[in-house]
Amino acid sequence: DIQMTQSPSSLSASVGDTVTITCRASQYINTNLNWYQQSPGQAPKFLIFFATGLQIGVPSRFSGSGSGTDFTLTITSLQPEDFATYYCQQSFSVPWTFGRGTKVEIK
Amino acid sequence: QVQMVQSGAEVKRPGASVRVSCKSSGFGFTSYYFHWVRQAPGQGLEWMGWIDPHSGGTNYGLRFQGRVAMTTDSSLRTVYMELTNLTSDDTAVYFCARDVIVASPNALYLWGQGTLVTVSS
Repeated sequence: DIQMTQSPSSLSASVGDTVTITCRASQYINTNLNWYQQSPGQAPKFLIFFATGLQIGVPSRFSGSGSGTDFTLTITSLQPEDFATYYCQQSFSVPWTFGRGTKVEIK
Repeated sequence: QVQMVQSGAEVKRPGASVRVSCKSSGFGFTSYYFHWVRQAPGQGLEWMGWIDPHSGGTNYGLRFQGRVAMTTDSSLRTVYMELTNLTSDDTAVYFCARDVIVASPNALYLWGQGTLVTVSS
């Protein structure tokens, strides 16, 4: 199985800050990398597909980059509704695997 | 309205089976792959497998093979996930999710609200 390693596991930030979350795959996954946001008690929300593609309706302050094994999710000008847990997920090979999540908390 | 609505919470004894349903609306049912993902209490997300409702083809994660079955009923626009021989480790919220791209598994676009399955003696 491909292991997905996210860092940090948690971070504290203030409204208006820019945060960056990294995700590293244990082997090459091209750009088959997706990002999700999950608020407590809610289903995950799809944010970014194929590493850089912003899903329709997702604010432009979210962006993704990377290819191969190293990827990032950047949130600029953090808003109150962005405090949540973020997961990366590879769809390069079965079984699809997720990172363990990054919890973005209010400082 | 484009949505996926799952069946309600279940409580099962160890060794029992559970079937969770996911009813879709607002899009072509047979056009997209459907996935199941679970989340144990306080834990991360775990992909279980997918089903192609057009062909009936499935692909299950190795750790679930032999215990999981995903099926569809196109007339009801509903996807089902049955998990057998339950243990306490199967206590989790189970999510269905529709894929983002027609006729190809790529990403988990549209999610159901989740179904809590509790396994307890």
